[in-house]
Amino acid sequence: DAGVTQSPTHLIKTRGQQVTLRCSPKSGHDTVSWYQQALGQGPQFIFQYYEEEERQRGNFPDRFSGHQFPNYSSELNVNALLLGDSALYLCASSPELDRSNTEAFFGQGTRLTVV
Amino acid sequence: GDSVTQMEGPVTLSEEAFLTINCTYTATGYPSLFWYVQYPGEGLQLLLKATKADDKGSNKGFEATYRKETTSFHLEKGSVQVSDSAVYFCAFKAAGNKLTFGGGTRVLVKP
Repeated sequence: DAGVTQSPTHLIKTRGQQVTLRCSPKSGHDTVSWYQQALGQGPQFIFQYYEEEERQRGNFPDRFSGHQFPNYSSELNVNALLLGDSALYLCASSPELDRSNTEAFFGQGTRLTVV
Repeated sequence: GDSVTQMEGPVTLSEEAFLTINCTYTATGYPSLFWYVQYPGEGLQLLLKATKADDKGSNKGFEATYRKETTSFHLEKGSVQVSDSAVYFCAFKAAGNKLTFGGGTRVLVKP
């Protein structure tokens, strides 16, 4: 089992551009969450997808959007990039069953640098 | 609102020393509590968890007890190794499947 895989691992973009990050969940997991981790800080919840719909959303602007595919993989899109969007973006997957107690498995993250 | 407060680092220790990282939380309902660890250049790994009051989570010599009365989940290890050098995050999961994290505590263990 490859666990949670994210691509790309590193990315450099210019202010105003758009970016798409990708995540494949752990086998058997159907729920995908995205987190933003700024340097030296804890991860902040962006949103969560289940059954191809956004189920929960954190305090992030509409520039952040996502998608989940029928195979449970997910994309995170960020439009009109700002310097402050530079961060490590983490994807986490978990099974919907017993969702309050089960462990979320994290990928290695995508390091986004906006210049 | 929901939040996690954990002691700021860095915490610098000698090998075989005792480690404590304090964590308190503010959450609605009855959350599940977690400690995650992040090694340099890597994602987060679950270290241990506790799902109800007075539960003790343990793994790799680390322990934490769910204290509902003090809304705390302090992490302890009796004898740290150099390989324990990492950033440790306290987190909880309340309603839904969303994790709320603290700011992280960097631990550096010197030989």
